[in-house]
Amino acid sequence: DAGITQSPRHKVTETGTPVTLRCHQTENHRYMYWYRQDPGHGLRLIHYSYGVKDTDKGEVSDGYSVSRSKTEDFLLTLESATSSQTSVYFCATQARAREAGELFFGEGSRLTVL
Amino acid sequence: EDKVVQSPLSLVVHEGDTVTLNCSYEVTNFRSLLWYKQEKKAPTFLFMLTSSGIEKKSGRLSSILDKKELFSILNITATQTGDSAVYLCASYNTDKLIFGTGTRLQVFP
Repeated sequence: DAGITQSPRHKVTETGTPVTLRCHQTENHRYMYWYRQDPGHGLRLIHYSYGVKDTDKGEVSDGYSVSRSKTEDFLLTLESATSSQTSVYFCATQARAREAGELFFGEGSRLTVL
Repeated sequence: EDKVVQSPLSLVVHEGDTVTLNCSYEVTNFRSLLWYKQEKKAPTFLFMLTSSGIEKKSGRLSSILDKKELFSILNITATQTGDSAVYLCASYNTDKLIFGTGTRLQVFP
């Protein structure tokens, strides 16, 4: 298994508070992704990174920001959490997107915004 | 807009049945199509299909890709209760993997 660790694994917070989720990988993979998963929507891409300091938006990026200052860490920040951001968040990595190959997933972070 | 559509949304079968899960895709810059199995936690990889590999098989699972008609199917023969899961189909647009909503398969003894 790819060494992908997400933290925290569970978080309950209140509307309006900032939240940061962390994804840490030990595989030296270049590409990293943040998805959210909600019933009826499958996995939706929030943001992704194709290298240190290189990030781009996915299909549901509003209300989220990301940062990648090191290859191994990809942070997802909710500046002011809303109830609509209650979801399960998955981080994923890939060695080389040129190969359009397998993504390796972390175990997920369940976020509840009250 | 890129999209991946799976059908059916859910499926209930008995052990020993054969099931076919469908996935159609419309993505620009198509590069590959992937199937994942998701039980209670993170998705686990099953197959990747590309122009150079349009049919894959692993045990009771097999998948084909039809690049002309833009769809893929995942077949599971002789289903077992352990096959119960959500099956996700995903397609690449350049360097982004776009997922369908999944098919929930329930296999009863």
